[in-house]
Amino acid sequence: EAGVTQSPTHLIKTRGQQATLRCSPISGHTSVYWYQQALGLGLQFLLWYDEGEERNRGNFPPRFSGRQFPNYSSELNVNALELEDSALYLCASTPGQYNSPLHFGNGTRLTVT
Amino acid sequence: GESVGLHLPTLSVQEGDNSIINCAYSNSASDYFIWYKQESGKGPQFIIDIRSNMDKRQGQRVTVLLNKTVKHLSLQIAATQPGDSAVYFCAENTFASSGAGSYQLTFGKGTKLSVIP
Repeated sequence: EAGVTQSPTHLIKTRGQQATLRCSPISGHTSVYWYQQALGLGLQFLLWYDEGEERNRGNFPPRFSGRQFPNYSSELNVNALELEDSALYLCASTPGQYNSPLHFGNGTRLTVT
Repeated sequence: GESVGLHLPTLSVQEGDNSIINCAYSNSASDYFIWYKQESGKGPQFIIDIRSNMDKRQGQRVTVLLNKTVKHLSLQIAATQPGDSAVYFCAENTFASSGAGSYQLTFGKGTKLSVIP
């Protein structure tokens, strides 16, 4: 069974540009979560999508947005990039059942220069 | 605010010894806890989970202990191997504020485990 896949693996952008990150969940999983992992820090919750709807978002500005497609894949968009947006962005999926563990992809390393 | 934290940021152990990684949590309403392992350049990998109605759960070479009285979680790794070298995160279940009935995990900052051959 294929795990969570993310693309691209690395992304370099300049300040002010927009970045788009993509995620394909494990087959059969309907919920997708996005986390930001800045260097030396833990994982910070960004967004949660389930059945195509945004269910919750973390304490991030509105320039962080995303969507979930009918096939349950997801996109994270970051507008007006700032230097501090440089981080590893992790996507995770679950089957949507309460108290089931998140399964993570290997992330997209975003570097803003 | 409520948070999950770790007692030790780094831990070095001899190959073959047992490792114990500790975690304190502050949200008494949390009812589900997970340990993840993150190797360099990879995403977090699920190790083991435990629900609040249990105080111990065992997996292959790993045991998680939950002490709800003092809000403490620990991960024990038996016969630590070089492949166990990684950063270990504990995470606690927090109800999503939107009330949709599912959860979001709050992660600690991690403990780096180094295995000495």
